[in-house]
Amino acid sequence: DAGITQSPRHKVTETGTPVTLRCHQTENHRYMYWYRQDPGHGLRLIHYSYGVKDTDKGEVSDGYSVSRSKTEDFLLTLESATSSQTSVYFCAISEGSGSYGYTFGSGTRLTVV
Amino acid sequence: GQQVMQIPQYQHVQEGEDFTTYCNSSTTLSNIQWYKQRPGGHPVFLIQLVKSGEVKKQKRLTFQFGEAKKNSSLHITATQTTDVGTYFCAGRDNQGGKLIFGQGTELSVKP
Repeated sequence: DAGITQSPRHKVTETGTPVTLRCHQTENHRYMYWYRQDPGHGLRLIHYSYGVKDTDKGEVSDGYSVSRSKTEDFLLTLESATSSQTSVYFCAISEGSGSYGYTFGSGTRLTVV
Repeated sequence: GQQVMQIPQYQHVQEGEDFTTYCNSSTTLSNIQWYKQRPGGHPVFLIQLVKSGEVKKQKRLTFQFGEAKKNSSLHITATQTTDVGTYFCAGRDNQGGKLIFGQGTELSVKP
């Protein structure tokens, strides 16, 4: 969807290396989210942000950190990548925390070897 | 914590047949949303239901929210190949919690 972009789209990295995924929005939405999608698990929330420098953990936050220094950017960092973090990562934005539909980015396919 | 269960996990239908996916929550929801994800794509917001017993339609798609606001369904009449994809429900509990997604139902349609 227009207004939200993720980078990179694909990445292969080695176990133990740090990795940062970027989500950029032009909608000026307050809320931003990082999800991971794995077969049989649907979409699981990693971290979310409700404003600049305001972030909180989701259900699968271990091994991940986030930062939001500007309204438009939400970064997800895998501090030391493991094979279990091989997944498709989606960023989403919304005007409200759950009363509005989410707009998702196109996703980042991350492979940890 | 809040859980949202969705069944079935997979559904294979012949084009023209109907399709239904069901969503059940362990807690009462303030609202429920539905998303569609095409193969290789990203989830796209379809609709939100808020009121107990609410029914909304979008062309061949009918969405229902249960009277107790703990379950929901999506029904597609006369499926087409363009309906192929995974359908997710997502619910938010009454305590103002985060949106929790079901595991999704993957629909395949045979022409």
